[in-house]
Amino acid sequence: RKEVEQDPGPFNVPEGATVAFNCTYSNSASQSFFWYRQDCRKEPKLLMSVYSSGNEDGRFTAQLNRASQYISLLIRDSKLSDSATYLCAVGGAGGGNKLTFGTGTQLKVEL
Amino acid sequence: DAGVIQSPRHEVTEMGQEVTLRCKPISGHDYLFWYRQTMMRGLELLIYFNNNVPIDDSGMPEDRFSAKMPNASFSTLKIQPSEPRDSAVYFCASSSGGFSRWEQYFGPGTRLTVT
Repeated sequence: RKEVEQDPGPFNVPEGATVAFNCTYSNSASQSFFWYRQDCRKEPKLLMSVYSSGNEDGRFTAQLNRASQYISLLIRDSKLSDSATYLCAVGGAGGGNKLTFGTGTQLKVEL
Repeated sequence: DAGVIQSPRHEVTEMGQEVTLRCKPISGHDYLFWYRQTMMRGLELLIYFNNNVPIDDSGMPEDRFSAKMPNASFSTLKIQPSEPRDSAVYFCASSSGGFSRWEQYFGPGTRLTVT
């Protein structure tokens, strides 16, 4: 089993739709969780940290479910500009500082 | 503030040649990470440093790869000799210490093609 798994997609959604991605992780000792956004041929950019209580930033909501070992990202009122690949990242197990990234979920928002 | 700086942005070289990738982390960041990204394997951590000291190099694929961080503002990743299977995008990332130490910020990457 991979340490971090994501559905690769693509998720094709119409503009204005709500879309959700999940990411599962295998190490129950993981402490830090993030969502990154990566545009084609660009670097990953930090989108959100994911806290135990859940957090929201505008149209984006991230949640953590420790019992089932997954994190989620919800995008409301999706825009054409949201089209990108969304990578989840998990780390902090064993006291180290490294993050393990999922392979990403591709989102395409269409007119 | 300047972000992570990498050079060169693109590198095309022939098999067997030495390749050196360079990275300047965000000023004040204590951690520096080198990643490789391919379509097949995704984003893989190669090595990371804390205060210029290598902490975990378990992701370095083989002895052909080496990384150094001679000071807080500069790191290199060297491949010698290069092989076609090394073709990938190599990213450098940095993070600060303390509570935000897991928040990593990436440079624009070096796209390496080995022919």
